[in-house]
Amino acid sequence: QSVPTQPPSVSGAPGQRVTISCSGSTSDIGTLRHVNWYQQLPGRVPKLLIFDNDQRPSGVPVRFSASNSGTSASLAISGLQAEDEADYFCQSYDYSLRDYVFGTGTRVTVL
Amino acid sequence: EVHLVQSGAAVREPGEFLQISCKGSGYSFSFFRVGWVRQVAGKGLEWMGFIYPDDATVTYSPSFQSHFSISADKSISTAYLQWRSLKASDTAVYYCARLRGDRFRFYLDVWGNGTTVTVFS
Repeated sequence: QSVPTQPPSVSGAPGQRVTISCSGSTSDIGTLRHVNWYQQLPGRVPKLLIFDNDQRPSGVPVRFSASNSGTSASLAISGLQAEDEADYFCQSYDYSLRDYVFGTGTRVTVL
Repeated sequence: EVHLVQSGAAVREPGEFLQISCKGSGYSFSFFRVGWVRQVAGKGLEWMGFIYPDDATVTYSPSFQSHFSISADKSISTAYLQWRSLKASDTAVYYCARLRGDRFRFYLDVWGNGTTVTVFS
């Protein structure tokens, strides 16, 4: 078993909608159906972006949304802004590894 | 406001001892788990383990060959990450973070400022 897989990079123009996938397996997302997402701005500390699949902490803009289906999850950024340029990580629990796992991470670039 | 403040950067040689700290404030430190996350330069996040300060129960990640230990002193609202014998491969930034949620569904809602550990001879 391995950690959830994310595309290494995603890019979009300001105002566009981009989505980041988090591809898991039947031992993590597929069974637990619980995913969290974190944003790490360049050179900064990671920040909780989405918890419990689709919940935004106070202060997180509504343009960030998330969902999951089957063994995958996705994070969407609507109305992409320059300040959204960052690394994004999904996180879940893997029953076979008996461990909490982060996805491989995706760098979002605003063109 | 909830804060986790970590100790400053550390530079050590292989084989040396190191303990880094994470002090919580603004909440009941004893009753929220504190986790540790490693990030090697240019790489992703890795879950190391977590502690429940009230009874000092520690859960380590099976993914790590654990030559480190996690502890906490609830009387001073501080969690620790400790190595008895550092390796060059321990060079990374280490974050502490508060855990919320239920077992198997934990998430990290507040993060410390990070501690850079550099190990070289």
